[in-house]
Amino acid sequence: DTGVSQNPRHKITKRGQNVTFRCDPISEHNRLYWYRQTLGQGPEFLTYFQNEAQLEKSRLLSDRFSAERPKGSFSTLEIQRTEQGDSAMYLCASSLAGVGNEQFFGPGTRLTVL
Amino acid sequence: AQSVAQPEDQVNVAEGNPLTVKCTYSVSGNPYLFWYVQYPNRGLQFLLKYITGDNLVKGSYGFEAEFNKSQTSFHLKKPSALVSDSALYFCAVRDPKNKLIFGTGTLLAVQP
Repeated sequence: DTGVSQNPRHKITKRGQNVTFRCDPISEHNRLYWYRQTLGQGPEFLTYFQNEAQLEKSRLLSDRFSAERPKGSFSTLEIQRTEQGDSAMYLCASSLAGVGNEQFFGPGTRLTVL
Repeated sequence: AQSVAQPEDQVNVAEGNPLTVKCTYSVSGNPYLFWYVQYPNRGLQFLLKYITGDNLVKGSYGFEAEFNKSQTSFHLKKPSALVSDSALYFCAVRDPKNKLIFGTGTLLAVQP
């Protein structure tokens, strides 16, 4: 399967714990995006990378959130001191650089904070 | 600021009938518009996009969309609906910083 993959698919954690999600993009894609989707809503942008550089971060991304893409390939999204409001589906997408190139999404990681 | 609106939370259609899922947009500059579909507990699948050129865009699974600049609309259409088309559909616009701005989604229910 050469699509975008995300791990884990599901994560249940207790409030206050730290969690880390991984995204592996389509191999030739140099852009990687993170979105968050809550029930009944469309995905909301969190951050994106071009190669290893983090080019934009949403105001939704509080200081408890950090994302990395150390070698320009896979990316990790870490949430520290999780809160119940962090419960959501976290989606990763990748694309080639270029104005009209579509983003391809992974299956998502569903986070439940108890 | 870029935005899209999907005025219908749900669209119901009988199998075999044509379907339309509505989307209107607001952009500064040229619009780059996308449709995605989401099945339960799955990520989003790309259906089609409008960048430039013909106003009628053809995409995956028999879907097409019509770009209308004067009405600032980008409605998704299919001539004959299938039960398997039942899913959540999202319209999105690309903003100048490359992120997608999504609508709230429209649930399409196709009855046998």
